[in-house]
Amino acid sequence: GAVVSQHPSWVICKSGTSVKIECRSLDFQATTMFWYRQFPKQSLMLMATSNEGSKATYEQGVEKDKFLINHASLTLSTLTVTSAHPEDSSFYICSAPLKEHYPTGELFFGEGSRLTVL
Amino acid sequence: GEDVEQSLFLSVREGDSSVINCTYTDSSSTYLYWYKQEPGAGLQLLTYIFSNMDMKQDQRLTVLLNKKDKHLSLRIADTQTGDSAIYFCAERAGNMLTFGGGTRLMVKP
Repeated sequence: GAVVSQHPSWVICKSGTSVKIECRSLDFQATTMFWYRQFPKQSLMLMATSNEGSKATYEQGVEKDKFLINHASLTLSTLTVTSAHPEDSSFYICSAPLKEHYPTGELFFGEGSRLTVL
Repeated sequence: GEDVEQSLFLSVREGDSSVINCTYTDSSSTYLYWYKQEPGAGLQLLTYIFSNMDMKQDQRLTVLLNKKDKHLSLRIADTQTGDSAIYFCAERAGNMLTFGGGTRLMVKP
């Protein structure tokens, strides 16, 4: 099946620094990618939809200046958590649809990136 | 808004069947999914069902969909200790995927 990879899988940073998380589609092109956030013992919440070559679409309540999304190519989307604070600590997961299956089929998820802000 | 509900916890003995239930509210759902999440890991797609289907079977997994009642279930036959994980159901309407809160399945030897 299609593979979506995230990097880094775990990052610890100091409060006030910025952290970049990468999401790559390894064997297919993804014009759209989705970024989710998962709090401990909770479900996934959609943060934003990343669109190749255009601005990301953010869900209500998600600060676009805080969570910068760049979809620079058909295989790479990045999420940058700017001026991170402890409350930003979370598990961030991206997903991408395999184009020929979309919109009728499945989304593929990355393995997730755990951010811990000290 | 859309809402997807699951029970929090299920405990079964190895070899028994597990049934994880999910209810949803969005009648425009096109696809419904079951994902598995092991500790510290991302989501693994287990199976999905199109909204005009009643049932889908894939090896040990059986998905039942009651569209009238907006009820989805995942049955795992001959549950193994390796099946211990959190299971999320999700509904899809357009580009939006809405997840339930997850059911933690514990399999006792």
